[in-house]
Amino acid sequence: GAGVSQSPRYKVAKRGQDVALRCDPISGHVSLFWYQQALGQGPEFLTYFQNEAQLDKSGLPSDRFFAERPEGSVSTLKIQRTQQEDSAVYLCASSLLPFLGLPGETQYFGPGTRLLVL
Amino acid sequence: QQPVQSPQAVILREGEDAVINCSSSKALYSVHWYRQKHGEAPVFLMILLKGGEQKGHEKISASFNEKKQQSSLYLTASQLSYSGTYFCGTGSGGYNKLIFGAGTRLAVHP
Repeated sequence: GAGVSQSPRYKVAKRGQDVALRCDPISGHVSLFWYQQALGQGPEFLTYFQNEAQLDKSGLPSDRFFAERPEGSVSTLKIQRTQQEDSAVYLCASSLLPFLGLPGETQYFGPGTRLLVL
Repeated sequence: QQPVQSPQAVILREGEDAVINCSSSKALYSVHWYRQKHGEAPVFLMILLKGGEQKGHEKISASFNEKKQQSSLYLTASQLSYSGTYFCGTGSGGYNKLIFGAGTRLAVHP
């Protein structure tokens, strides 16, 4: 597609439920990122994939968070046993190349999934 | 370490200018500027690289001072469409992890 798409756009979960958030990056983009954005804050890095390899998961807040990108395109962020503090917007971004240092090379964001845990 | 953005909020009349600053305690390789409108995805504005020059995009330009580890975003002759939250994302080299500031809220009124 023309841009990064995410689904669902909104998700309401009861505390303790598992949720799965999907990201479709721009076709051909090597790099894929997940961010968590709390209300009134900037995006906070969660994890990074280069093709199907998860090279950095240092931002995942706990072992309840799991991400995968098995075929190097679509990615899923799974949150197990959701807690109220997981309520946030989850943003996915992709970039064409593995390195951001090249002129004009940056991340393109999807519209996000707004997760509310009750 | 999260970069620090200032000011936290700006209110402008249409046609006025503004400067948004982003500073980091870490050595920077790149600074990426985004604008986000409420409920929407952050939209890329421009990237500044270490050793690079000032960049421009219509009436929005930016500079990068490597020594001071700072970047500034300049908005001239602001338009209503400039309203939103501006984020700087800093890269310290390596693959492409960005650390974002808390954002600067800009409101432009007629």
